[in-house]
Amino acid sequence: DTEVTQTPKHLVMGMTNKKSLKCEQHMGHRAMYWYKQKAKKPPELMFVYSYEKLSINESVPSRFSPECPNSSLLNLHLHALQPEDSALYLCASSQDRGIGGNTIYFGEGSWLTVV
Amino acid sequence: AQSVTQLDSQVPVFEEAPVELRCNYSSSVSVYLFWYVQYPNQGLQLLLKYLSGSTLVESINGFEAEFNKSQTSFHLRKPSVHISDTAEYFCAVTSFYGQNFVFGPGTRLSVLP
Repeated sequence: DTEVTQTPKHLVMGMTNKKSLKCEQHMGHRAMYWYKQKAKKPPELMFVYSYEKLSINESVPSRFSPECPNSSLLNLHLHALQPEDSALYLCASSQDRGIGGNTIYFGEGSWLTVV
Repeated sequence: AQSVTQLDSQVPVFEEAPVELRCNYSSSVSVYLFWYVQYPNQGLQLLLKYLSGSTLVESINGFEAEFNKSQTSFHLRKPSVHISDTAEYFCAVTSFYGQNFVFGPGTRLSVLP
């Protein structure tokens, strides 16, 4: 069982909707990540939070807005998405980032469909 | 910067046969290597990793991988596969000061009855 929990597992939203994906980890990790994965492709990094501060934004459109309320929680706010944004969104965490081979642990993902 | 190549996009194999999934990497510094497995409609799970020490690492479900520095490879092997091993397998690399994982394109393992 994964120790990174994501909700909801499935989300269907219209292009004018505002919704949020939520992620929680209780492993005491200080780095949290959002990845986007399209079918038959590897995960693509979107955002990295390190010690609750945004440290990497991989040129993600502003219709995706991350938020890290505390060290255990990570949200991804969605607004005015496009159909091409439909994908599996994976949350992940690691003990730290940048030093030594920290393992990244993934959640089960949230399947997003934009109609 | 690092890069990862998984030359085989799909590997079909019969149940109880051996399998090898290939992973090669490119890096100018020392690396850490990982294999992740993604079962259908699920997230990624860590299968095994090489950080240091013995170059042969094993997972709890019978997979093993060997780090070969001279060939810059980290191939994944299993002597006898099961139907339940059907999944997508991703090789990933990072380095000591690496900011992020670099994932390979993935290999789809299909175990046939």
